[in-house]
Amino acid sequence: KQEVTQIPAALSVPEGENLVLNCSFTDSAIYNLQWFRQDPGKGLTSLLLIQSSQREQTSGRLNASLDKSSGRSTLYIAASQPGDSATYLCAVCTPYAGNMLTFGGGTRLMVKP
Amino acid sequence: DAGITQSPRHKVTETGTPVTLRCHQTENHRYMYWYRQDPGHGLRLIHYSYGVKDTDKGEVSDGYSVSRSKTEDFLLTLESATSSQTSVYFCAISDLGPDSGANVLTFGAGSRLTVL
Repeated sequence: KQEVTQIPAALSVPEGENLVLNCSFTDSAIYNLQWFRQDPGKGLTSLLLIQSSQREQTSGRLNASLDKSSGRSTLYIAASQPGDSATYLCAVCTPYAGNMLTFGGGTRLMVKP
Repeated sequence: DAGITQSPRHKVTETGTPVTLRCHQTENHRYMYWYRQDPGHGLRLIHYSYGVKDTDKGEVSDGYSVSRSKTEDFLLTLESATSSQTSVYFCAISDLGPDSGANVLTFGAGSRLTVL
């Protein structure tokens, strides 16, 4: 069974700082890994999807990397802003029937002005 | 939320009553999913659909049933609600399947269900 862990569970940083969120998974047999953002009381917004054959994806100030062999992904946020404050979740898409996306518990990010 | 709406957004009900949550999409996406989100458990898949009348169980399907009679609607039913089903329920859609490797999911805003 796939298990996904995100560390740290919560993070508070001053505005402007570059930061890294970590995601690890136990089974490297994945189709892809996705990063989502969730604002309080809202649904999830897809940020980046890295296919199993890819090493990284970039979107604006966000860069996500994937090391499938070691079961790790990182989300790098450059020059953080208060508007980046949210919970960030990673999810791995697996070939297990009935499982689809397995989510980590999320990292709750607070960027202070 | 980009062509996906959930209803109701909030519901309070009593143990033993039936409850139906509706997910409606205007994107004509083939795949639809129901997840629940709970503190300490994250998001877990309840049921999913890969086409009209084609559904399958997810990780936590006990106590839930689904139906998809039209492409745009995916219904989640709790036949007899229990307190353990108090949760936030999210619907998601994608146009590609998991084996494509490119199945970006779009989520609805969620339905908060409280079972007393």
